[in-house]
Amino acid sequence: GAVVSQHPSRVICKSGTSVKIECRSLDFQATTMFWYRQFPKQSLMLMATSNEGSKATYEQGVEKDKFLINHASLTLSTLTVTSAHPEDSSFYICSATGQGGTYSYNEQFFGPGTRLTVL
Amino acid sequence: KQEVTQIPAALSVPEGENLVLNCSFTDSAIYNLQWFRQDPGKGLTSLLLIQSSQREQTSGRLNASLDKSSGRSTLYIAASQPGDSATYLCAVRDGNNRKLIWGLGTSLAVNP
Repeated sequence: GAVVSQHPSRVICKSGTSVKIECRSLDFQATTMFWYRQFPKQSLMLMATSNEGSKATYEQGVEKDKFLINHASLTLSTLTVTSAHPEDSSFYICSATGQGGTYSYNEQFFGPGTRLTVL
Repeated sequence: KQEVTQIPAALSVPEGENLVLNCSFTDSAIYNLQWFRQDPGKGLTSLLLIQSSQREQTSGRLNASLDKSSGRSTLYIAASQPGDSATYLCAVRDGNNRKLIWGLGTSLAVNP
């Protein structure tokens, strides 16, 4: 399947700092990217959907000023957790759909995730 | 509102067994259904994608079926191996808003 990378894989930060997570599609053009968070033993929760060059659409209950999403190119999206607090500690996973090669445009491919711990 | 249920929640089998994981959904108006694998602390690996017009998809030892009218999908794993141990997630893409709706997963342990 298509490859989606995330960086960093793990980050520990102090409360009040901002953290940026990068998501890249390596072998296809990601026309749409998704950001999820996952708590232990729970399923994925969609935070927002972004189309390249457009503002992200946030799910109900997700603070857009808290979680800044930028999808400036067809291969890169970033999630910035601003003024992080311990309750923001979670596993953040990005996903992408798009075009390229034999990949179906409606099949979602996922990154390896970023473990954020806020002290 | 679409809801996805996976049964069983956990499964432990000896190596070599054939096994079936079940996924059911409440609204048959789906765009497609996707099976994923998640290893502990890792992201998701897409295993199989079944479009709403398809009945099944196969990849190696994996076979996924879809019965849209009854709201069911099964993931069949043949000749299970310890490396198959992971959580298997089923997700349907809603036919209206095109969002993925997730089940809680089946945690599989294949014992050597």
